[in-house]
Amino acid sequence: NAGVTQTPKFRVLKTGQSMTLLCAQDMNHEYMYWYRQDPGMGLRLIHYSVGEGTTAKGEVPDGYNVSRLKKQNFLLGLESAAPSQTSVYFCASSYFPAVPGTDTQYFGPGTRLTVL
Amino acid sequence: DQQVKQNSPSLSVQEGRISILNCDYTNSMFDYFLWYKKYPAEGPTFLISISSIKDKNEDGRFTVFLNKSAKHLSLHIVPSQPGDSAVYFCAGSGGGADGLTFGKGTHLIIQP
Repeated sequence: NAGVTQTPKFRVLKTGQSMTLLCAQDMNHEYMYWYRQDPGMGLRLIHYSVGEGTTAKGEVPDGYNVSRLKKQNFLLGLESAAPSQTSVYFCASSYFPAVPGTDTQYFGPGTRLTVL
Repeated sequence: DQQVKQNSPSLSVQEGRISILNCDYTNSMFDYFLWYKKYPAEGPTFLISISSIKDKNEDGRFTVFLNKSAKHLSLHIVPSQPGDSAVYFCAGSGGGADGLTFGKGTHLIIQP
């Protein structure tokens, strides 16, 4: 049981390049999330998904796209990377909560992305 | 507008003493609050939570207190241990599926 895994762990991009971050969970969770963490900013929600085939925008969605083709995977794409997207990216997942808001989110180890 | 505020970027406490981490929120729609702990180069891990209908929740050395009228919550760690040195994030949930709203975190340092 690996929990939430993220690929890759580190990446350096040049401005304008594209890439996809992969998140996988083996806990059969319905909900999945992508956050970014910047120094002094805490974690901010980029996009989220409440089930296979569904996605929705979070607090800071601009410049990112996501897809949830399989329940266990949630992909975050950067079509044209910018230096402002230099950050640590965390994926998280949670059960469909019996009581909304009581779901505990399980986080992956993070992907450190640098855009030059 | 910052909906969850952790005004102390860092806190230093002696081993064995009580650590108190504070968190304030402005969103009255939050009905659930969580604390996460984060070590360097790792993802956040869930620590303890509290529903807005309660004012206290305890789990071993960790206790969270909620004061709804003041929109304030605090995390108490007693006694503090070296392994507690980490960044602690306070988060609020509005009951929807759209994730958690996190504070900026407090770096707790436990000194021997």
